[in-house]
Amino acid sequence: DTAVSQTPKYLVTQMGNDKSIKCEQNLGHDTMYWYKQDSKKFLKIMFSYNNKELIINETVPNRFSPKSPDKAHLNLHINSLELGDSAVYFCASSEPGPSQETQYFGPGTRLLVL
Amino acid sequence: GENVEQHPSTLSVQEGDSAVIKCTYSDSASNYFPWYKQELGKRPQLIIDIRSNVGEKKDQRIAVTLNKTAKHFSLHITETQPEDSAVYFCAASIEAGGSYIPTFGRGTSLIVHP
Repeated sequence: DTAVSQTPKYLVTQMGNDKSIKCEQNLGHDTMYWYKQDSKKFLKIMFSYNNKELIINETVPNRFSPKSPDKAHLNLHINSLELGDSAVYFCASSEPGPSQETQYFGPGTRLLVL
Repeated sequence: GENVEQHPSTLSVQEGDSAVIKCTYSDSASNYFPWYKQELGKRPQLIIDIRSNVGEKKDQRIAVTLNKTAKHFSLHITETQPEDSAVYFCAASIEAGGSYIPTFGRGTSLIVHP
């Protein structure tokens, strides 16, 4: 019954590989997000996506691409993984209407690139 | 773009004391200011928020104040308890393309000693 879920929870992979992280929300929210939290706990937005627009943080390398098969899912695909990609990746969603600013986070995916 | 500064990075208090965390932001277009609590190994969760048309908001032991002129906002926790120990993040959000794009502070690690 988790509102925002992510898979996998842990991901260990070699440099140069391509991997995907999946995110699903069952809250009926319109907007979904991806965040990266580095080893110093700094939380940085990577993408914001709704049915109207994809907003990309311009500092995100183009090896990262969000893919949304439908309103309830926003997956993150990463090409040619690098050591510096090791971090915790959080998916989040927000609802339409007056409280649309509130972010509901998923449990996180811990990515380790070797 | 928006820049959010958060201080202190670490705060250690005795149980029952008050704790104050301060944030400043740079973009006057920011109009929503949430605070998130992240316990070790868990996801960030909203604890309180304030909108730009309000100067102060309180919810039991926690309160937030906002000074739009000075572009700073603060989190106040009274009668701290060991379970308040966590990393706290402030954020300043701007509306863009139907979404609210938050910029987070670097976090404050609060330690409450019993």
